[in-house]
Amino acid sequence: IVLTQSPGTLSLSPGERATLSCRASHSVGSIYLSWYQQKPGQPPRLLIYGASKRATGIPDRFSGSGSGTDFTLTISRLEPEDFAVYYCHQYGISPPATFGQGTKVEIK
Amino acid sequence: QVQLAQSGDEVKKPGSSVKVSCKLSGGTFTNYPVTWVRQAPGQGLEWVGRITPVLGNTNLAQKFQGRVTITADKSTTTSYMELYSLRSEDTAVYYCARGVTTLYSLDVWGQGTTVTVSS
Repeated sequence: IVLTQSPGTLSLSPGERATLSCRASHSVGSIYLSWYQQKPGQPPRLLIYGASKRATGIPDRFSGSGSGTDFTLTISRLEPEDFAVYYCHQYGISPPATFGQGTKVEIK
Repeated sequence: QVQLAQSGDEVKKPGSSVKVSCKLSGGTFTNYPVTWVRQAPGQGLEWVGRITPVLGNTNLAQKFQGRVTITADKSTTTSYMELYSLRSEDTAVYYCARGVTTLYSLDVWGQGTTVTVSS
């Protein structure tokens, strides 16, 4: 399953809303879809699992939605620490698992 | 608290092999898979493969089949990823990761091991 993320780069200001898309080439069960945030020099951090459930310690400005082939990560109001690269991932119940190519959220 | 600690950075010659370890602490090997992911410089995340330690079964991305072996030692709660016939394109940071909340997400990540392939 190929995951295509859009846009490649999102230029926004702190306080604005960010909407990131992840489209799958074939249907993905919601329980298998997760989102990660990565900052330079750090490993990725789990934000959302099961398409819509926030991981432990993740602020409620992060939310996930979607099903089937279309999934969305929304950051309601961008904080300075939210500028990073975001990846969607599908577990691959019939392997392989895959990652999207990433969306970079940068300061405008 | 589950944590993953990886072995140190490596510099290897083309054609050689590298073995990276990933030690689990704060938990035991269960049916939660240990996943290996790599990231080439300036690039995105690439799924390498995973192992379910209690079962010993592995799944690999097609491009790594025949060139990667993933193993797990339950007695030491350590997983290993060995990559053979190294080439310059294998230069990357290699991460191990594991679910805690669910089987299907990657809650905990190792710190990453940089493998540099250079003559």
